[in-house]
Amino acid sequence: AQSVTQPDIHITVSEGASLELRCNYSYGATPYLFWYVQSPGQGLQLLLKYFSGDTLVQGIKGFEAEFKRSQSSFNLRKPSVHWSDAAEYFCAVAPSAGNNRKLIWGLGTSLAVNP
Amino acid sequence: EAGVTQFPSHSVIEKGQTVTLRCDPISGHDNLYWYRRVMGKEIKFLLHFVKESKQDESGMPNNRFLAERTGGTYSTLKVQPAELEDSGVYFCASSLKFREGYTFGSGTRLTVV
Repeated sequence: AQSVTQPDIHITVSEGASLELRCNYSYGATPYLFWYVQSPGQGLQLLLKYFSGDTLVQGIKGFEAEFKRSQSSFNLRKPSVHWSDAAEYFCAVAPSAGNNRKLIWGLGTSLAVNP
Repeated sequence: EAGVTQFPSHSVIEKGQTVTLRCDPISGHDNLYWYRRVMGKEIKFLLHFVKESKQDESGMPNNRFLAERTGGTYSTLKVQPAELEDSGVYFCASSLKFREGYTFGSGTRLTVV
């Protein structure tokens, strides 16, 4: 079955520290890959996406993610976390072929940032 | 440009009542999606409109849920009658082209008591 796993439900980091949020997927073929963020009281905002090409993807707010086909992973990274990055982060996948456009989501990782 | 607007932002209703959620997509976006997040679970797809047509409604839980998109503009999602397990956050999203990604609304938090 198609699924997305975000192993870390909750992570706490200190401001200025580096961050890596993990995402693994189980899918028949390489899907399209996404990271979304939801800040308190806000909607889901697209951070970055991977469709093809360079496996290191740059996104907004200083985030990047690396697609590793051999590990079925798409981990999100940021070199230096800011207090405003405290939010919930979601990894999602969608089929890369056909007309199906529904996203399959991970459970999310809640990020807390200590001053 | 205005974003995706959902209202109400919160709704508390009693079991057995009817609730209608509304979503106004970004103007010109033909694709409109509904998703739901039940507490403690992952976000799940409900359905996808292309203009006024239902492209995929495979995620609708049961026939108590009815989605419409009159004239290919705003969409409504009606739950009738509501059950306790319908509680959750309902997200709407729209897109012009899938490869550009969705734009999500802030969601409607539905609580059925």
